[in-house]
Amino acid sequence: AQKVTQTQTSISVVEKTTVTMDCVYETRDSSYFLFWYKQTASGEIVFLIRQDSYKKENATVGHYSLNFQKPKSSIGLIITATQIEDSAVYFCAMREGAEGADRLTFGKGTQLIIQP
Amino acid sequence: GPKVLQIPSHQIIDMGQMVTLNCDPVSNHLYFYWYKQILGQQMEFLVNFYNGKVMEKSKLFKDQFSVERPDGSYFTLKIQPTALEDSAVYFCASSSHRGNQDTQYFGPGTRLLVL
Repeated sequence: AQKVTQTQTSISVVEKTTVTMDCVYETRDSSYFLFWYKQTASGEIVFLIRQDSYKKENATVGHYSLNFQKPKSSIGLIITATQIEDSAVYFCAMREGAEGADRLTFGKGTQLIIQP
Repeated sequence: GPKVLQIPSHQIIDMGQMVTLNCDPVSNHLYFYWYKQILGQQMEFLVNFYNGKVMEKSKLFKDQFSVERPDGSYFTLKIQPTALEDSAVYFCASSSHRGNQDTQYFGPGTRLLVL
């Protein structure tokens, strides 16, 4: 069974700095897909970025980038030049590549607090 | 990004009653999902749905749960009868393709409280 683990419960950083959030996963599949979502204070869930397991290059979208270390089953999220509005709970999720296996498995989330 | 809408945003009902949660998925999406989030925890998959059929469901998708999307209208999650442990936030998601073709986009959730 697939499993996603986020060990950091909460991180607090000063605005305009860079933060990294960790995520490790377990899967038996050779093909899988990794996602990061954030959940705002209002509860809204926003898709941020994804990494397909067969791609060697780390994904980058705006000020979000991923540190994909396949041998370590690790997919860290890096946020550069953080802003107050980046304060949220960040969830890592995985989807396995087998036919019919479209469910997302989520980690428990990391609360990010951006301080002025 | 693509928007998924959910109605109502909050619902309070008495245990044993029926409740229907409504989801308006992204217009060109064909695959639909429900997830459940208990306060302070991660979202957990309930069910996915395509072409009028349940494709996959988890252990959380009890016999009291059902889903449908009649005639391209709302994608609904019905719970009948409700139980106290059904209190949670229910998120609907949709995607345009299966497998590796697309990303699931989430609605804002319906906060269900069963008394």
